[in-house]
Amino acid sequence: QKEVEQNSGPLSVPEGAIASLNCTYSDRGSQSFFWYRQYSGKSPELIMSIYSNGDKEDGRFTAQLNKASQYVSLLIRDSQPSDSATYLCAVDWGDFGNEKLTFGTGTRLTIIP
Amino acid sequence: DVKVTQSSRYLVKRTGEKVFLECVQDMDHENMFWYRQDPGLGLRLIYFSYDVKMKEKGDIPEGYSVSREKKERFSLILESASTNQTSMYLCASSLPPRVVGTDTQYFGPGTRLTVL
Repeated sequence: QKEVEQNSGPLSVPEGAIASLNCTYSDRGSQSFFWYRQYSGKSPELIMSIYSNGDKEDGRFTAQLNKASQYVSLLIRDSQPSDSATYLCAVDWGDFGNEKLTFGTGTRLTIIP
Repeated sequence: DVKVTQSSRYLVKRTGEKVFLECVQDMDHENMFWYRQDPGLGLRLIYFSYDVKMKEKGDIPEGYSVSREKKERFSLILESASTNQTSMYLCASSLPPRVVGTDTQYFGPGTRLTVL
């Protein structure tokens, strides 16, 4: 059973601080990793994708991947109240022709003004 | 921009009714997916399709069927709706990962289905 684990939270972070969201996955063969943001009552929207070990930065967001430790994280710098949402980690196991994502249950993030 | 649309944002049906949920994408994506999302359970894959007339069961296919007659349209069918199928239903589409970075899934706005 391929699994993706996230701390459900809630995670509370003061405005302007760094929010750190973590995700672990069970299969070393995983190829693609995604972070989605989901506001209450809305559908998930892609924040970041990462495919190789190391850091990938996009504005205030940084995704970090460590395949040896089977760990992917998302850092949000200078957190804003608009960042308050549930963040979903998703993993593509990389089976060509069977491109399914497995999602974690999400971490609820609250930015405190 | 990729656009994935779903036929209804909110739907109320009665137990035993046949329910059709429609999804259309405009980016010529081969892959299309149907998920349901419930509190505490996250997103769970019901069915997916990687080509016209092709379908594969996901993790929770029981009580559902799908149809993909055209590349841009993927329908989810509840043959006989039951109260435990009350949920948020999300459709998504993607390209196959022929090239790294092309397999991002894009979601529609969701249909909140209530079965009474």
